[in-house]
Amino acid sequence: AQSVSQHNHHVILSEAASLELGCNYSYGGTVNLFWYVQYPGQHLQLLLKYFSGDPLVKGIKGFEAEFIKSKFSFNLRKPSVQWSDTAEYFCAVNSFSSNTGKLIFGQGTTLQVKP
Amino acid sequence: DAGVIQSPRHEVTEMGQEVTLRCKPISGHNSLFWYRQTMMRGLELLIYFNNNVPIDDSGMPEDRFSAKMPNASFSTLKIQPSEPRDSAVYFCASTLGSSSYNEQFFGPGTRLTVL
Repeated sequence: AQSVSQHNHHVILSEAASLELGCNYSYGGTVNLFWYVQYPGQHLQLLLKYFSGDPLVKGIKGFEAEFIKSKFSFNLRKPSVQWSDTAEYFCAVNSFSSNTGKLIFGQGTTLQVKP
Repeated sequence: DAGVIQSPRHEVTEMGQEVTLRCKPISGHNSLFWYRQTMMRGLELLIYFNNNVPIDDSGMPEDRFSAKMPNASFSTLKIQPSEPRDSAVYFCASTLGSSSYNEQFFGPGTRLTVL
């Protein structure tokens, strides 16, 4: 069965620090990969997605993620975080071959940015 | 343009009572997903519909849970009888089409507390 693992459950950074959140998935076939963000009190929003092509994808608000197929990883990065990036971040995957919208989410990582 | 609408936003009920959560997907979207978010288990897919038909309900925890989608613009998730362990935030999401490329748009969620 597919699964998604996010290694960091709670990350605390100071403003301007660099961010990297880990995401690994288990599935042998072709996958589509997503990062969603949930700001306090709000619903989930899409940050970025990878389907094919350049493995380095850029999303909104200065976020980017790199797909490394050999490592089954899709880590999220941002060079310099802001207080407003405080939120919960979810990595998600679905199977290209299933051709459905069914997403499998990781447990989420809570990011707290100190001003 | 209205996003996914969920009601109620908050629900507090007593154990044994019936609870009905409602969702209106984005107009024109034909896939709808119900998720449950808890601290312990993260974000879990409960069931999803495509063109009003349930496609995968393997995530529904037990027979106390049921979901319907009588038409393209409305879905319900019912818990009967409710138990304290059902306390969670329940999200509804919709997509245009059923392929694995489609971004899911989430509603604001219903925070359910069962006393």
